[in-house]
Amino acid sequence: DAGVIQSPRHEVTEMGQEVTLRCKPISGHNSLFWYRQTMMRGLELLIYFNNNVPIDDSGMPEDRFSAKMPNASFSTLKIQPSEPRDSAVYFCASSPRLATDSYEQYFGPGTRLTVT
Amino acid sequence: GENVEQHPSTLSVQEGDSAVIKCTYSDSASNYFPWYKQELGKGPQLIIDIRSNVGEKKDQRIAVTLNKTAKHFSLHITETQPEDSAVYFCAAKVVGKLTFGTGTRLQVTL
Repeated sequence: DAGVIQSPRHEVTEMGQEVTLRCKPISGHNSLFWYRQTMMRGLELLIYFNNNVPIDDSGMPEDRFSAKMPNASFSTLKIQPSEPRDSAVYFCASSPRLATDSYEQYFGPGTRLTVT
Repeated sequence: GENVEQHPSTLSVQEGDSAVIKCTYSDSASNYFPWYKQELGKGPQLIIDIRSNVGEKKDQRIAVTLNKTAKHFSLHITETQPEDSAVYFCAAKVVGKLTFGTGTRLQVTL
């Protein structure tokens, strides 16, 4: 079975540019999560969706960040404009049940973003 | 919000020995506690989880214990092997959100 798919795997961009990260969750999963991982702050939840609907975006650091899930098989995380402090590894995860259920989350391989 | 503390930050054991990683959480409403293993350049991989109505769970060489009264849970790996070397994260879930610990880098030496 295909796991969570993320693209690109690596992204290098200049400050001020728009960055779009993509995620395809596991087929049939009902919730999707975006995380950010840095050495300083560890793994942080940015936003999560239940059945394509954003439920909690309180982890999104600022208005420069936005996320969408137009259908059950695709989600994007956009940063505009990007800044050097956005450099991190961004993970997408999906779960077979709603996020409010106590159920496992499966992580993708991540996108390593470097903003120069 | 939930706060998860994890210890130790690094752990070195000899092959065949046991490894124990401990976590505490702050929110008594947390009801789900997964453990993830992350290898270099990869995403976290779920290795075992426990729900709040269970005190202990075992899967081959891996076991997790939960003490709800004390709000702490632990990961036990027995008969460690070099391929167990990785960073391990604990997490606690309340109302849809997983809060992660800061990670333990486990090194299994020959």
